[in-house]
Amino acid sequence: DTGVSQDPRHKITKRGQNVTFRCDPISEHNRLYWYRQTLGQGPEFLTYFQNEAQLEKSRLLSDRFSAERPKGSFSTLEIQRTEQGDSAMYLCASSLTTSGSDGELFFGEGSRLTVL
Amino acid sequence: GQNIDQPTEMTATEGAIVQINCTYQTSGFNGLFWYQQHAGEAPTFLSYNVLDGLEEKGRFSSFLSRSKGYSYLLLKELHIKDSASYLCAATDSNYQLIWGAGTKLIIKP
Repeated sequence: DTGVSQDPRHKITKRGQNVTFRCDPISEHNRLYWYRQTLGQGPEFLTYFQNEAQLEKSRLLSDRFSAERPKGSFSTLEIQRTEQGDSAMYLCASSLTTSGSDGELFFGEGSRLTVL
Repeated sequence: GQNIDQPTEMTATEGAIVQINCTYQTSGFNGLFWYQQHAGEAPTFLSYNVLDGLEEKGRFSSFLSRSKGYSYLLLKELHIKDSASYLCAATDSNYQLIWGAGTKLIIKP
């Protein structure tokens, strides 16, 4: 399967612990996005990368959140000192963007975080 | 500000037709997407409109009016498995997607 894959699919952690999620995009895609989604809401933008460069980060994102895409391929999203409000589904998506025109987003299955 | 509005929930009958509306306000506009999301799963792409008019793809069609900031998704011959959330998302001038909260569609036999 050559779609977007995310790991782990589920994570349960205690408040105050750090967690890291990994996303492997479709190999030829140059853009990679991280979203957060809670029940009954649409995806909330967190950050995105064009190749290895992090081009935008949501102003709503606290400094406990950090993301990397070191070689322009896979990406990691780390949440430090987790809080119960961080409980959500974390979605990764990738797209092939050319000449400023964005392509269709392909989503991974998501990583569901539960903070106790 | 940037905003996407769509109904929270709709109910329809198996075999019928349903239209899900979406209005948007964005800083610039570079196209509108519809995604389907089944409970507990990731969104999957349905359609993309950047020009005014109707795009038909099998049982699903999507319409766009740029002057009115309006789109709709039309689903025909509804199946029970079409029960899902339908997300409208508009692309702004920076090619960022602005997402609606989704419309939960319930299909009854």
